[in-house]
Amino acid sequence: SYELTQPLSVSVALGQTARITCGGNNIGSKNVHWYQRKPGQAPVLVIYRDSHRPSGIPERFSGSNSGNTATLTISRAQAGDEAAYYCQVWDSSTVVFGGGTKLTVL
Amino acid sequence: EVQLVESGGGLVQPGGSLRLSCAASGFTFSDHYMDWVRQAPGKGLEWVGRTRDKPNSYTTEYAASVKGRFTVSRDDSKNSLYLQMNRLRTEDTAVYYCAREGSVVAGGAFDLWGRGTLITVSS
Repeated sequence: SYELTQPLSVSVALGQTARITCGGNNIGSKNVHWYQRKPGQAPVLVIYRDSHRPSGIPERFSGSNSGNTATLTISRAQAGDEAAYYCQVWDSSTVVFGGGTKLTVL
Repeated sequence: EVQLVESGGGLVQPGGSLRLSCAASGFTFSDHYMDWVRQAPGKGLEWVGRTRDKPNSYTTEYAASVKGRFTVSRDDSKNSLYLQMNRLRTEDTAVYYCAREGSVVAGGAFDLWGRGTLITVSS
C-alpha cells in the first residue's frame, strides 16, 4: 500500500518561513492536499491539488510537488499557525494520509 | 451556514455496534461524494470510507482496517450521511469526522469537515 512520510515536528521562528515535507514514491504524479488541524477543532483544507489555496486561506500558505516530495510552505509564520499539518493523496480509490507534522512557532 | 454535524458517538463494548449520523446543511448535499475520517487518541488522521453520489450509483469504498465491519450510506432526501459500525474493536476508539469531497476541480480534497463525534470501545 502507498505510504506518505512526514517529519514528526517542525519548528519555526515567528515571522520566518516553515517548510513541511511529505514524501512518497513518485508523489509528483499525484494530487496532494494539505490540512491544518488545531486541538479541539475540525481539520481545515489549506492547500489542494499541490498548490491551490481555498478561499479564505492566507497567501502565506503555498505548496509544491515534484518527484518524491511535496512541500507545504508557510511564510511569515504566526502564532496562530501552530497546529498539526497532514498531507493526503488518493491511491487506487482509497485515501492515504501522512502521519502529520506538529508545527511549533517559537 | 455551510456545515456538517456528526452525532451518535458514545461508549460501546467490544463486539458491539453503533451508527453515526452526519447532518449536512447550507449546500447541495446530493452533489458531493462524502467520506468518514477518524483520529484515534494520539494518532494521525485515518480515512474510513466514502460513498459516491447518485449518478455513480452510491458506490462505496473502505479502508482495509474496517472493510466488512463498517458500512457507509447516505440519504439525500434527508441531507444525511451514515456510518454503521459492527463488530467494534478497541482500536476503533477515535473521533469520527464526516467530510465532504470538493468538486472535480478540487481533485478529491476534503473541503468541509464536521467537528467530530467520539467513539470509545471499551469493556
